[in-house]
Amino acid sequence: GENVEQHPSTLSVQEGDSAVIKCTYSDSASNYFPWYKQELGKRPQLIIDIRSNVGEKKDQRIAVTLNKTAKHFSLHITETQPEDSAVYFCAASVETSGTYKYIFGTGTRLKVLA
Amino acid sequence: NAGVTQTPKFQVLKTGQSMTLQCAQDMNHNSMYWYRQDPGMGLRLIYYSASEGTTDKGEVPNGYNVSRLNKREFSLRLESAAPSQTSVYFCASSEVSFTGELFFGEGSRLTVL
Repeated sequence: GENVEQHPSTLSVQEGDSAVIKCTYSDSASNYFPWYKQELGKRPQLIIDIRSNVGEKKDQRIAVTLNKTAKHFSLHITETQPEDSAVYFCAASVETSGTYKYIFGTGTRLKVLA
Repeated sequence: NAGVTQTPKFQVLKTGQSMTLQCAQDMNHNSMYWYRQDPGMGLRLIYYSASEGTTDKGEVPNGYNVSRLNKREFSLRLESAAPSQTSVYFCASSEVSFTGELFFGEGSRLTVL
């Protein structure tokens, strides 16, 4: 079945440094790749997404890259700040039965050290 | 707009008891989902519904049933709870024709003793 692998499981960076989280997916039919941020005790919220016809997307300090041939995509956070500390989830989704079926990675706990 | 509302927020059950988690969304979304979140396991899809009257199995459907009562409501039922079902459950909704973004509820923490 579909599978999304996410690495690393934990990541500690100094404030101001960059953080990179990587995901690979198995279903070549996947065509939508969102990233969610979950703060402690809160619900996951979308921070950025990319569709299969785009190789890179940027939103201020956050960027996502997609390599469809290799079936992997990455989240890049530059100039990290303490408020970036959270768990980040990647997901791959495929359109099926008139909707998207989202499969999530296992999450990366990012700690930004002041 | 309340977004996605789940009830209850907390529940403790004994093994073998049954219960239903309720979810409602007021965003007129067609698609709704139930996920469970366990430490180190991420968010795993239990069931999803593309539209009113349709439901499909996700990654971990065993031990659960769902009902898409109408466009707004999607409930998750545990017929005979087991300790392995101790988890945080999230309901979510999306409108595929617009952005595909998943909007999550606040979560329901379930403990099965």
